[in-house]
Amino acid sequence: EPEVTQTPSHQVTQMGQEVILRCVPISNHLYFYWYRQILGQKVEFLVSFYNNEISEKSEIFDDQFSVERPDGSNFTLKIRSTKLEDSAMYFCASRPIIAGGTDEQFFGPGTRLTVL
Amino acid sequence: QKEVEQDPGPLSVPEGAIVSLNCTYSNSAFQYFMWYRQYSRKGPELLMYTYSSGNKEDGRFTAQVDKSSKYISLFIRDSQPSDSATYLCAMTPYNFNKFYFGSGTKLNVKP
Repeated sequence: EPEVTQTPSHQVTQMGQEVILRCVPISNHLYFYWYRQILGQKVEFLVSFYNNEISEKSEIFDDQFSVERPDGSNFTLKIRSTKLEDSAMYFCASRPIIAGGTDEQFFGPGTRLTVL
Repeated sequence: QKEVEQDPGPLSVPEGAIVSLNCTYSNSAFQYFMWYRQYSRKGPELLMYTYSSGNKEDGRFTAQVDKSSKYISLFIRDSQPSDSATYLCAMTPYNFNKFYFGSGTKLNVKP
């Protein structure tokens, strides 16, 4: 069964460093999302992406964050200068688009980011 | 007021019990409603989704939406220890641009 994959599973970085989190969405999906979940807290929407541009972003998604679909398969989240409070689990999700109907959002296993 | 409110629990029930999980919301623009199950340190897994008001049943799970009250529920019949997890409600407006999650209810089903 197709699934969303994410790499790395765990990333440790120093405060102020740049990190890139990678996701491979399900191949026929067209809509992509990034979420984060701070330990013990709710899943928070960061950004949605469709047709090579951002559809919507949250107030968390400031100038330090960017997303890119560099090729036909990868979807990346870049944090330019990490802060301690960026430590969280980051989930990628993808969804197909079915004209006239509902469709499901599938989540990857997540990347645990630890900022020291 | 939070967009989506969900009692965090924990909720502890004996095996075989009927479990009721609930969320309330404030935004009348929400059209699609979902329930996810999340095991510790894993990604959310979709259990059920419904459109607008009404009931939807899938095996031991029933999702219920009451848009007039801005209230959604997930019922689990004949609960099993393997159902022990955190259950997240989520919802989105018609355009699916942004999903709003509840804080999750931690469920423990005791053998």
